Amino acid sequence: EAGVTQSPTHLIKTRGQQATLRCSPISGHTSVYWYQQALGLGLQFLLWYDEGEERNRGNFPPRFSGRQFPNYSSELNVNALELEDSALYLCASSKNAAGWSDTQYFGPGTRLTVL
Amino acid sequence: RKEVEQDPGPFNVPEGATVAFNCTYSNSASQSFFWYRQDCRKEPKLLMSVYSSGNEDGRFTAQLNRASQYISLLIRDSKLSDSATYLCVVNDNTLFSGGYQKVTFGTGTKLQVIP
Repeated sequence: EAGVTQSPTHLIKTRGQQATLRCSPISGHTSVYWYQQALGLGLQFLLWYDEGEERNRGNFPPRFSGRQFPNYSSELNVNALELEDSALYLCASSKNAAGWSDTQYFGPGTRLTVL
Repeated sequence: RKEVEQDPGPFNVPEGATVAFNCTYSNSASQSFFWYRQDCRKEPKLLMSVYSSGNEDGRFTAQLNRASQYISLLIRDSKLSDSATYLCVVNDNTLFSGGYQKVTFGTGTKLQVIP
């Protein structure tokens, strides 16, 4: 069974640009979660999608947005990139909207570097 | 006070030693607790959930102390392969608008098992 996949592996952008990160959940999983892991900080919850809808949002500005497609894959968009957006962005999926009572499986992450 | 706090370590222990980590949380209404393991530059993976009665999985034992608002992870007979960062996760199960849940990660405790 294929795990959670993310693309690209690495992404380099400059300040003010937009970044788009992609995630494909494990087959049969309907929930997708996005996290930011900046150097020296813990995992910060960004967004949670289930059945195409945004279920919850972490404490991030509106320039962080995303969506979930009918096939349950998801995109994370970061507009007007700032230097401090440089981080590892992790995507996770779970079987259903039970959320944190359900096991989450993480992808390998996309390392975003903003110059 | 941070919502979820962990001693960042590193904990340097010899092979075969027993080591324990604590994680404190600030919201007394928190309901679900988990320990994740994250290897260097890899994604987090669920190690175990933490139940009120405590639970054990091989060399790993997790405990919950609601009165003092902390969870613990005990690793017995440490192996070199146990070297990793251990993340504590707390789910508030707080009913925000729409019945969403809030989850917080600790920053992680780094364990280094020495030969």
